[in-house]
Amino acid sequence: DAGVIQSPRHEVTEMGQEVTLRCKPISGHNSLFWYRQTMMRGLELLIYFNNNVPIDDSGMPEDRFSAKMPNASFSTLKIQPSEPRDSAVYFCASGRLAGVREQFFGPGTRLTVL
Amino acid sequence: DAKTTQPPSMDCAEGRAANLPCNHSTISGNEYVYWYRQIHSQGPQYIIHGLKNNETNEMASLIITEDRKSSTLILPHATLRDTAVYYCIVRFDQGGSEKLVFGKGTKLTVNP
Repeated sequence: DAGVIQSPRHEVTEMGQEVTLRCKPISGHNSLFWYRQTMMRGLELLIYFNNNVPIDDSGMPEDRFSAKMPNASFSTLKIQPSEPRDSAVYFCASGRLAGVREQFFGPGTRLTVL
Repeated sequence: DAKTTQPPSMDCAEGRAANLPCNHSTISGNEYVYWYRQIHSQGPQYIIHGLKNNETNEMASLIITEDRKSSTLILPHATLRDTAVYYCIVRFDQGGSEKLVFGKGTKLTVNP
């Protein structure tokens, strides 16, 4: 299996622009998680989905952030408009709802907002 | 907020056992102890988890005290590739609660 796939791996954009991060979970997994990591705040859960349904979005910082999971093999995290304080590494992870609740993380997207 | 307390950093000699402690004094009866690690610039990686009994897998051993208020992750023969930040997390595994709340972790440096 290729593991969790994220794209792009690096994104540099200017303040005010729309940013879309993409994630393909591991086939057969039915939970998907979006995390953000910064030096100041560490690793934070933004939102997670079970069976494509958003379960908890309490970690989403504000209305500028939105996440979708239109099917079991694809999810997006969108920031509009982007701000410099959104600069971070964004990780996507997937897992199963049954058995060992291990989360498999992708390589992350490093976002820089100028 | 994270429910665990870990030392911010530790050092270990290559080939020796690395013992990483974690305090979780407020853990409830249904909460599991999970360990993940994050090697520089990579996504976190699952290591091991347990509820009451000690656990061992190909990566590590997990020792949980009888009162469950603390645990120790043991890497039996640390290598340079084990240099990473290690996170101890308690998590409720029933009722669909899937959250992992990461604290600051312990930065383990394995020295040659």
